[in-house]
Amino acid sequence: TQLLEQSPQFLSIQEGENLTVYCNSSSVFSSLQWYRQEPGEGPVLLVTVVTGGEVKKLKRLTFQFGDARKDSSLHITAAQPGDTGLYLCAGYNAGNNRKLIWGLGTSLAVNP
Amino acid sequence: KAGVTQTPRYLIKTRGQQVTLSCSPISGHRSVSWYQQTPGQGLQFLFEYFSETQRNKGNFPGRFSGRQFSNSRSEMNVSTLELGDSALYLCASSSASSATEAFFGQGTRLTVV
Repeated sequence: TQLLEQSPQFLSIQEGENLTVYCNSSSVFSSLQWYRQEPGEGPVLLVTVVTGGEVKKLKRLTFQFGDARKDSSLHITAAQPGDTGLYLCAGYNAGNNRKLIWGLGTSLAVNP
Repeated sequence: KAGVTQTPRYLIKTRGQQVTLSCSPISGHRSVSWYQQTPGQGLQFLFEYFSETQRNKGNFPGRFSGRQFSNSRSEMNVSTLELGDSALYLCASSSASSATEAFFGQGTRLTVV
């Protein structure tokens, strides 16, 4: 069974700080996605990474896919209260009945 | 382009009742997946429909069922509700023939009392 482990589970920081959250697996994925979910809402897709070693930037967010395509990280620079939410990673492997495998998420609180 | 629409947003039901939730995917998307989300278990995959056929199924009891119509709209039904069925039910649509990027609706918050 493929699993995605996210760490840390909870993170509370002050506005302006930097942070990194991780998404790890022992399995290889053909692509990996990051989502952000606000309370009472559905997850919103932030980015998809498909190539080992790939780095993508979305304003203050930097996403990296591991060289072996088994792990990924999300780095936020100068966090703002608007970054507060649940960050979820999801891996896709065409061989796994085309299902997305989801991590449990990192709950981030950015305090003003 | 309109997003994924789920109705209703909130529901309160009594144990033993049944419930039907609705999802309208993004126009042109033929794949619809349903998830149950609870604080302790995260996103749990229920099933996926593609062109009116169930293509994938998660590990949920038979009380959970779904269907998809010719216009790609989907419904899920939960019969004989239990307290543990209280959760946020999310629908996601995808454009590709395989489940890659998912676009979610706002969800239906179901409370079973």
